[in-house]
Amino acid sequence: SQTIHQWPATLVQPVGSPLSLECTVEGTSNPNLYWYRQAAGRGLQLLFYSVGIGQISSEVPQNLSASRPQDRQFILSSKKLLLSDSGFYLCAWSEGKAFFGQGTRLTVV
Amino acid sequence: DQQVKQNSPSLSVQEGRISILNCDYTNSMFDYFLWYKKYPAEGPTFLISISSIKDKNEDGRFTVFLNKSAKHLSLHIVPSQPGDSAVYFCAASTIGGFKTIFGAGTRLFVKA
Repeated sequence: SQTIHQWPATLVQPVGSPLSLECTVEGTSNPNLYWYRQAAGRGLQLLFYSVGIGQISSEVPQNLSASRPQDRQFILSSKKLLLSDSGFYLCAWSEGKAFFGQGTRLTVV
Repeated sequence: DQQVKQNSPSLSVQEGRISILNCDYTNSMFDYFLWYKKYPAEGPTFLISISSIKDKNEDGRFTVFLNKSAKHLSLHIVPSQPGDSAVYFCAASTIGGFKTIFGAGTRLFVKA
């Protein structure tokens, strides 16, 4: 069966520091991968999606970037965090319906 | 522009009664609709879905209704239980498409 791992679960970072969140999927090949952010009162906002290694589509202009160095690995990064980057970040993979990781609560202070 | 809208941020229901969560969408290209349930500090979990060729799909206590002409869908939970208390997200996509668009969510409180 397929599983999705996302870490860390919580993260507190100072403004201006870099960010790296990692997500890996097991039990499937060439999955469509996604990064979502849940900000307070704003639902789930699609940030990036990837249909294959090295293929990244950005949905909203922002201070973040994504990379897919391997088939089942998806990384969310920032060079310098802003206060507005705080939120709950979710990785997902999809085959028709999306399956989510446990999420990372990021607090930028 | 919000393509998927959940206009009720919260809903409170007595245990044993029906919960009805509503969702509207604007993009007529959407042909696959989903409901997810989310507990605090966890990722959403898939609950039930419906494709545009149907107007109703039922799974146990959960039923989703789709009204394509009104671009409206709803989730009915009968009977509601305290464990159903969570945030419910409506989502829409196109079959074979890459993106699933989510609504803002509705927080359901089921009172014992």
